[in-house]
Amino acid sequence: DTAVSQTPKYLVTQMGNDKSIKCEQNLGHDTMYWYKQDSKKFLKIMFSYNNKELIINETVPNRFSPKSPDKAHLNLHINSLELGDSAVYFCASSQAGLANTGELFFGEGSRLTVL
Amino acid sequence: AQTVTQSQPEMSVQEAETVTLSCTYDTSESDYYLFWYKQPPSRQMILVIRQEAYKQQNATENRFSVNFQKAAKSFSLKISDSQLGDAAMYFCACHPSGGYQKVTFGTGTKLQVIP
Repeated sequence: DTAVSQTPKYLVTQMGNDKSIKCEQNLGHDTMYWYKQDSKKFLKIMFSYNNKELIINETVPNRFSPKSPDKAHLNLHINSLELGDSAVYFCASSQAGLANTGELFFGEGSRLTVL
Repeated sequence: AQTVTQSQPEMSVQEAETVTLSCTYDTSESDYYLFWYKQPPSRQMILVIRQEAYKQQNATENRFSVNFQKAAKSFSLKISDSQLGDAAMYFCACHPSGGYQKVTFGTGTKLQVIP
């Protein structure tokens, strides 16, 4: 069983389109994240949700809208895609609260290419 | 806020030899965790080793060990008996303990293993 699964793994789309990436975790974790990895492999946090509530929102354009229907799911919707949005997007999860050692469990990543 | 610095963008090691990857960090927190994550070409990030800052003893996981120098804020990773499967990007990361604080990653070191 895949602990953190993302779909799709690859997206190729035109500038201006809207796209979504879905993430699900079966680890029973309360906290989920979206990270963006650019072409230089730099990993930057975008959002974090704890039990469906937004707790971290870095300086991300409002074209990016996360949604967490329940604590096992965190989706990312991107409007009006731009060339600079091309990257690999990683979903991750971790235990919450005092049990939060910071250890992240990652999905396989979703490579987004904007043409 | 914390920062994590990896000063070696690329390293190489002969198969069966030992290599050390460097990492320095800065944090104002008194208690935190440090991590090394591995990202093979398949993309998925995997935890290699974790160190609790309050523990003086260096963490070890089979062929992987760390040299944690708290006063110097240094956290290097030693890979012994390097194997071809060790070839990957390695990321150092820091997370303040407890609560909903974010994990900060370094810029990564690409490790090449030469047969």
